[in-house]
Amino acid sequence: KQEVTQIPAALSVPEGENLVLNCSFTDSAIYNLQWFRQDPGKGLTSLLLIQSSQREQTSGRLNASLDKSSGRSTLYIAASQPGDSATYLCAVRVDRGSTLGRLYFGRGTQLTVWP
Amino acid sequence: DTGVSQDPRHKITKRGQNVTFRCDPISEHNRLYWYRQTLGQGPEFLTYFQNEAQLEKSRLLSDRFSAERPKGSFSTLEIQRTEQGDSAMYLCASSWASGGSDETQYFGPGTRLLVL
Repeated sequence: KQEVTQIPAALSVPEGENLVLNCSFTDSAIYNLQWFRQDPGKGLTSLLLIQSSQREQTSGRLNASLDKSSGRSTLYIAASQPGDSATYLCAVRVDRGSTLGRLYFGRGTQLTVWP
Repeated sequence: DTGVSQDPRHKITKRGQNVTFRCDPISEHNRLYWYRQTLGQGPEFLTYFQNEAQLEKSRLLSDRFSAERPKGSFSTLEIQRTEQGDSAMYLCASSWASGGSDETQYFGPGTRLLVL
């Protein structure tokens, strides 16, 4: 069974800092990896998707990297802003026929950016 | 593209009652997923459909849970004889099965269930 771990569980930083969120997974036979943002009491917003053949993806101030062999992904947020405060979730889709559709999620990193 | 919608957004029920939730996916998406999220945890997969066929079910989906997608468009998730442990956020997602690994799942706002 795929297990996804996110470190740290919580992070509090002043505005303007660059920061890194970590995600690790146990089964390297992944199909893709998605990073999501979740605001309190809300649904998930997709931020970035990295395909299994890719090493990184960028969107604005966000950059996500993937190292399949070591079972790790990082989400880099540049010049953080208070509006970035949310929980960030990493999810992995495995490349195995019987469980091809599901995403396996970590518990998330709760980010607070203060002015 | 109006995104994934879910109804109701909130539901309070008494233990033992039946509840039904609805999900309307993004219109051209052929895959639809249900997840459950409890406080402080990441979402856990329940089931998914490709068109009207239910292709995968989690062990979390006990016999009190049933999901349908009768015409390959909207889906319903029913919980019979609710228990307090069913209290959670129920999330729906949809995607277009492109056949490639660039398939993104888009999530709705969720239905928050509280069982008293």
